[in-house]
Amino acid sequence: DQQVKQNSPSLSVQEGRISILNCDYTNSMFDYFLWYKKYPAEGPTFLISISSIKDKNEDGRFTVFLNKSAKHLSLHIVPSQPGDSAVYFCAASGDTDKLIFGTGTRLQVFP
Amino acid sequence: EAGVVQSPRYKIIEKKQPVAFWCNPISGHNTLYWYLQNLGQGPELLIRYENEEAVDDSQLPKDRFSAERLKGVDSTLKIQPAELGDSAVYLCASSRGTSSGYNEQFFGPGTRLTVL
Repeated sequence: DQQVKQNSPSLSVQEGRISILNCDYTNSMFDYFLWYKKYPAEGPTFLISISSIKDKNEDGRFTVFLNKSAKHLSLHIVPSQPGDSAVYFCAASGDTDKLIFGTGTRLQVFP
Repeated sequence: EAGVVQSPRYKIIEKKQPVAFWCNPISGHNTLYWYLQNLGQGPELLIRYENEEAVDDSQLPKDRFSAERLKGVDSTLKIQPAELGDSAVYLCASSRGTSSGYNEQFFGPGTRLTVL
């Protein structure tokens, strides 16, 4: 049973436009949500997170939105840049440090 | 600050052979994690250490997988014997683990294992 789902395996966006990556979860006990970015042959690197007590967190070009009633979160990248091309993983955590990852979305930003 | 170090980066073995992966976490990080990442999937936790104690090994297939973190610093993950289905990327991560709630995890580059 996949507790964290990323239903879009890939996304292609033009440079300068907004990228929106989506993530759904099923476990209402999750209280912390994260986005990780992964380049080929590298480990995932932390990008941005949000606690369940918030509905929005912003860091530069990156904003994460959380809709607890829908069990849905999204990552917005504005404006998108070619260097943002990578695989993005959504992850969730409950009362321990254990992370449950989604299957990832491959973002390609083209000129 | 040096990141999480893993070796080897790539390993190719024949099925039924043993294999071992090594991880050195970020200095001062008490918590160490081993993850398995299959192609097209997200990382899945295999085992989590708090210092030298394995506090969560519920996802580790104990018939063929073993891990150790003897002095609470670096760690080794072993597979014996390896099977074709073990082909994957094995990721190590570490965190400070000193506060309640979530502690940011820092990942190493991973070891890509191919079992022939």
